Amino acid sequence: EVQLVESGGGLVKPGGSLRLSCAASGFTFSSYAMNWVRQAPGKGLEWVSSITASGSYIYYADSVKGRFTISRDNAKNSLYLELNSLRADDTALYYCARDFIVGFYFDYWGQGTPVTVSS
Amino acid sequence: SYELTQPPSVSVSPGQTARITCSGDGLPKKYAFWYQQKSGQAPVLVMYEDNKRPSGIPERFSGSNSGTMATLTVSGAQVEDEADYYCYSTDSRGNHRVFGGGTKLTVL
Repeated sequence: EVQLVESGGGLVKPGGSLRLSCAASGFTFSSYAMNWVRQAPGKGLEWVSSITASGSYIYYADSVKGRFTISRDNAKNSLYLELNSLRADDTALYYCARDFIVGFYFDYWGQGTPVTVSS
Repeated sequence: SYELTQPPSVSVSPGQTARITCSGDGLPKKYAFWYQQKSGQAPVLVMYEDNKRPSGIPERFSGSNSGTMATLTVSGAQVEDEADYYCYSTDSRGNHRVFGGGTKLTVL
């Protein structure tokens, strides 16, 4: 059974940093591109970042480019998101999501980890 | 930047047909996908590549993509179909991905 379990969320002050993790199990992690998608309270879904299976290619939404860094450790079956220079509008539930094996869409999602940016 | 536009809400009575639209200038050249999100839960894929249903999704869900508009149709909507629905699309390399703003489907 595919499982994605996010962790690392919490309360952080504006300008602060946080590192999110996503532990994957139930599939060959190194064969799949992975993503982060976020959802602000009461708002819609927003794609944040993607990383290919090998980690060779990385993409970001304009809203986080230069502030967030996605990475992965295939030996540990883990995906990460480093959040820097955080702003109030980064407050959201952050989901880890797997790409379909041969398509650029999300076929499995975790339950999310909440990030709150507030002084 | 590429945008997808959805109506904020759609309301139908049980057994009626609900149609949720998604418009975007790039849709003629891209696939549309649809996600269902029930309150407090993670999104679930209900339609991929315009009109394909994932395993486990009821046959009452169908999709189409024509011109600059994609449509998710729920034929004979049930109370359990009440949820937020998001269309999604991406370019051919997956380096620019976008969701629509979401549509709240009410069935009552």
